[in-house]
Formats: sequence, structure tokens, C-alpha cells
Amino acid sequence: NAGVTQTPKFRILKIGQSMTLQCAQDMNHNYMYWYRQDPGMGLKLIYYSVGAGITDKGEVPNGYNVSRSTTEDFPLRLELAAPSQTSVYFCASSYEGGGPQHFGDGTRLSIL
Amino acid sequence: RKEVEQDPGPFNVPEGATVAFNCTYSNSASQSFFWYRQDCRKEPKLLMSVYSSGNEDGRFTAQLNRASQYISLLIRDSKLSDSATYLCVVNMRGSTLGRLYFGRGTQLTVWP
Repeated sequence: NAGVTQTPKFRILKIGQSMTLQCAQDMNHNYMYWYRQDPGMGLKLIYYSVGAGITDKGEVPNGYNVSRSTTEDFPLRLELAAPSQTSVYFCASSYEGGGPQHFGDGTRLSIL
Repeated sequence: RKEVEQDPGPFNVPEGATVAFNCTYSNSASQSFFWYRQDCRKEPKLLMSVYSSGNEDGRFTAQLNRASQYISLLIRDSKLSDSATYLCVVNMRGSTLGRLYFGRGTQLTVWP
């Protein structure tokens, strides 16, 4: 049972490039989330999903997009990378909204 | 006012000490409460849920005071391995998601 799996673990992008951060969970959780964590700061919710085909914005969605075509996968897309998007990105899932969330081990992204 | 506020510390204590962390939350209708632990450059991991009557898990005791909108975590007989950042997490009832809000964390260092 792998839990929540994120890829890649590290990535360096140039300004203006695009990429997709992958997230997959094998716990059959309906709820999935993307957070970013800047150094010394708390987690900020980017996007979330309550089930396949349903997504919504969190508190910092600008510059990102998501899709949820299956229960298992919740990729996060950066279209035009900017230095302000340098951060650690965590994907999480939960069985129910408001319930404990299980996190992947993160993607460390640098935009230069 | 932030949804979840914690004393950022750092707390530096010797092995064997007892240490307590506090957290306040803004939404009186919150229903779910958790403590997470985050090691340096790692993902947050659920330490324990917090129940209305208070609960204990080994050396860890969590308390909830709904009237004061206050949560605490007590660690007894601190170990070196307890060194980490402790995140207070609260569900904000009222949103369709019942999303979780994470505090910025309290940093603990246990020294030999």
C-alpha cells in the first residue's frame, strides 16, 4: 500500500516553462488536495477535489490548474512558471472532508 | 485574525522534559482537530486526533477547550526523536469541503 505518491521529487524550471506535478493515491479516497509550503511558512491550499470530475480553488490558485479524471490521480499543472512559484508542493488525500489527510512526500520545485 | 494560530517557538528542552504547545482557532463551529508532526524537509504526518474529552497516546496528551477555542499538546519525557515542528490543524465547518486549516507550526528541539 503506497499511500500518496508524488513525482517528481525535485525539479528545476526556467521562467516561462510549464510542467505537471503528478499525484496518485491508492486508498480510494475521494478527497484530494494540493498545498504549497514556502520556507518557514504554513501550508497554503492551492486546489482541491471532492471526487473525480470535481475540482475547486483553494486560497492560492493563480498560476495553477488541476484536473481529476480518475479517483486515483490529481495532477497539478504550472503553465508559465514564475520565481514566486518556487516552493515545496504537497499532495494529500482524505477519506472524508474534514477528516485527517495523508500526505505525499512532496515535490521541491525551483524556478530560475 | 488567522484561522489557526500557534506560538512558533522555538522550544528547546532537554531530554526527559515535559513541554506543552498551545493553539487557538477562530471558527467556533470547527468540528475536527488534529496535531501533525513535520520533520525538516519532510511531509506532515498525523500525530493524533483531538477529541472533546481529551485523549492520550503514550507520552502525548491532547486537550480541547471549545469554550476558549483552544487546543493543546503535551509531550512528556521528551526524546531526541521528538524534535520536529508540530502543526495544529482545524476543520472549518461551514465550507462544503470542510477543509482543514494548518497552523504555521511550533518548532521543538530536544537536546541531550
